Amino acid sequence: SAVISQKPSRDICQRGTSLTIQCQVDSQVTMMFWYRQQPGQSLTLIATANQGSEATYESGFVIDKFPISRPNLTFSTLTVSNMSPEDSSIYLCSVGRPGGETQYFGPGTRLLVL
Amino acid sequence: QQPVQSPQAVILREGEDAVINCSSSKALYSVHWYRQKHGEAPVFLMILLKGGEQKGHEKISASFNEKKQQSSLYLTASQLSYSGTYFCGTKYGGATNKLIFGTGTLLAVQP
Repeated sequence: SAVISQKPSRDICQRGTSLTIQCQVDSQVTMMFWYRQQPGQSLTLIATANQGSEATYESGFVIDKFPISRPNLTFSTLTVSNMSPEDSSIYLCSVGRPGGETQYFGPGTRLLVL
Repeated sequence: QQPVQSPQAVILREGEDAVINCSSSKALYSVHWYRQKHGEAPVFLMILLKGGEQKGHEKISASFNEKKQQSSLYLTASQLSYSGTYFCGTKYGGATNKLIFGTGTLLAVQP
C-alpha cells in the first residue's frame, strides 16, 4: 500500500476564511480522490483530482467552493473556500495505483469551523 | 445512489459471529470493504470483483452476489480489534475509478 500524508492534520478556522489541505503520496499513483466525512456519517466523494487538468466534481460540489490542484502524480491540494460551520468535517484523500483496483486513504484532516 | 448497509449497528461478545450486508439499487462491478476505527482513516480489507467470488482475510471473509446486487461481510470468532465502523465501497462500472460508499455499520465487540 502507499504511504499517504495530509497536512494539516486538524485545524480550527473562522467562518468566511479558506483552508488548503495537502495530500502527499510516497510513490506515483494514477488516481487521487477527495472525500468528506461529516460527523457520524459515511464518506462522500467530492471530486477526482486529475493530473494536469481540472478536477471532476461530484453532484453537489463545485469548483468555486472546493478548488483542487494536482500538479504531479504524487501531490494534490483541496481548498475549502469561504467556510461556514457546515463545512466542519473530516477531509480525506485517497489514492490508487496504476492497474490496481484498490484505494488507500490518507489519515484525514479534521476541520472545525466556528 | 448510496448502497444501504444492514444492520446499522451490532454489539457482539468476543468469539461471536456477525454478518454485514451491503445492498445496491444498481448493478455492481466490484465491492470494496473497509473498516474505520474512531478517529482514524478507513483501512482496506478486501475487494470482490464481478464473478461472485468469495474472498477471505484471516477470520473475515466476504461474498458478492451479482444477481441480488449485494455483498456480505462475514466476521467469525470476533475479536476486540474488530470493533469499528465497516463501509462497503461500490463501483458501478469497470471504466470508472470512483467508489460510492455505503451507509456504514457500527460494530462493537465487548469482552
